[in-house]
Amino acid sequence: DSGVTQTPKHLITATGQRVTLRCSPRSGDLSVYWYQQSLDQGLQFLIQYYNGEERAKGNILERFSAQQFPDLHSELNLSSLELGDSALYFCASSESPGRSTDTQYFGPGTRLTVL
Amino acid sequence: GDSVTQMEGPVTLSEEAFLTINCTYTATGYPSLFWYVQYPGEGLQLLLKATKADDKGSNKGFEATYRKETTSFHLEKGSVQVSDSAVYFCALRGGAGNNRKLIWGLGTSLAVNP
Repeated sequence: DSGVTQTPKHLITATGQRVTLRCSPRSGDLSVYWYQQSLDQGLQFLIQYYNGEERAKGNILERFSAQQFPDLHSELNLSSLELGDSALYFCASSESPGRSTDTQYFGPGTRLTVL
Repeated sequence: GDSVTQMEGPVTLSEEAFLTINCTYTATGYPSLFWYVQYPGEGLQLLLKATKADDKGSNKGFEATYRKETTSFHLEKGSVQVSDSAVYFCALRGGAGNNRKLIWGLGTSLAVNP
């Protein structure tokens, strides 16, 4: 158990819909990262937050957005869903992203299926 | 920019065989190197890491040595078990600048047969 929690574990929805994925980081970790893992594109970094502020952006679509709240949990919002958005979405957290020795710990993931 | 190259899979071995999964990198500065493992149906778990040249990371019988001269961080295990069947990801975190996101390899799938 990494200490990172994600809900829900599974999500099935229809095209055009909007969903929210939730992540709670490990105790003491200020930084949260979101990743998408699909069969055709592998593991893709989406976005990073640090203490409530966006720190880095990766391959995140404009239809997707995220935020980190004062209690440090984070939510990833996916809207106007398409079939191709079906994937595993992982959240990770770390303590000190400014250090090269910093380690990311991953949650169990949310499996999103868009029908 | 920084990058990680892993050997392509799938790798199929018999139980108790020796495992090597190659990983090479390109990076500026002095990156930290990681191996993560993803068991079927689960999230990614940190397997081992090394933060400076010549460091050896080890865990659960797996080892990897940070070789700066060959820019490599190959994963090895002397005797694999069926329970080691998983996907293994090599990653680096750059050693310079504030945007030190992880750079990932594509993953190598390992299947161990009894």
